[in-house]
Amino acid sequence: GDSVTQTEGLVTLTEGLPVMLNCTYQSTYSPFLFWYVQHLNEAPKLLLKSFTDNKRPEHQGFHATLHKSSSSFHLQKSSAQLSDSALYYCALSERSGGSNYKLTFGKGTLLTVTP
Amino acid sequence: GPKVLQIPSHQIIDMGQMVTLNCDPVSNHLYFYWYKQILGQQMEFLVNFYNGKVMEKSKLFKDQFSVERPDGSYFTLKIQPTALEDSAVYFCASSLGGEQYFGPGTRLTVL
Repeated sequence: GDSVTQTEGLVTLTEGLPVMLNCTYQSTYSPFLFWYVQHLNEAPKLLLKSFTDNKRPEHQGFHATLHKSSSSFHLQKSSAQLSDSALYYCALSERSGGSNYKLTFGKGTLLTVTP
Repeated sequence: GPKVLQIPSHQIIDMGQMVTLNCDPVSNHLYFYWYKQILGQQMEFLVNFYNGKVMEKSKLFKDQFSVERPDGSYFTLKIQPTALEDSAVYFCASSLGGEQYFGPGTRLTVL
């Protein structure tokens, strides 16, 4: 079945340094990939979604590029901010019929940004 | 932005009892989901629901689980009877068919 692997469980960075959170996947089809962000005591929120063409999605300074050859969708940001501290989930959508796509999640990466 | 609410935020229950987890989805959404996250593991799909029916369920959706959304009110997940392995955070989500909006989760502890 489909699976998502996030290689780091915990990442600690100093403010201003670049961020890179890894995500690789296995899927029978050509899935859509997503990054969700969850701040403490809040709901997970969609941060980025892959496009069907080669466009690179960007939001709040974060970007990710879908590389089908390496089955990866790494999340990057040029300069970390204290407010980026959160739990980040990579996920893919399985086409379960119609437009009702269930999500397969990775385990999550806890990013902590320090002053 | 659109918000999904979940009630209660925490629930502690004795094994064998019944529990109902409530989800207040985004008002015009049509698709509803439950996901389960055991401590230290990833969120896993349980079930999705559309037009009053279960569309798909995973192997985690045991016979003791049921979902419904009576008269367009809360979307509920009922577990009867509960087991120790049901202890987890349960996330509800809703969508119009695209982006899924998640609630903050209900932490269920079965003793």
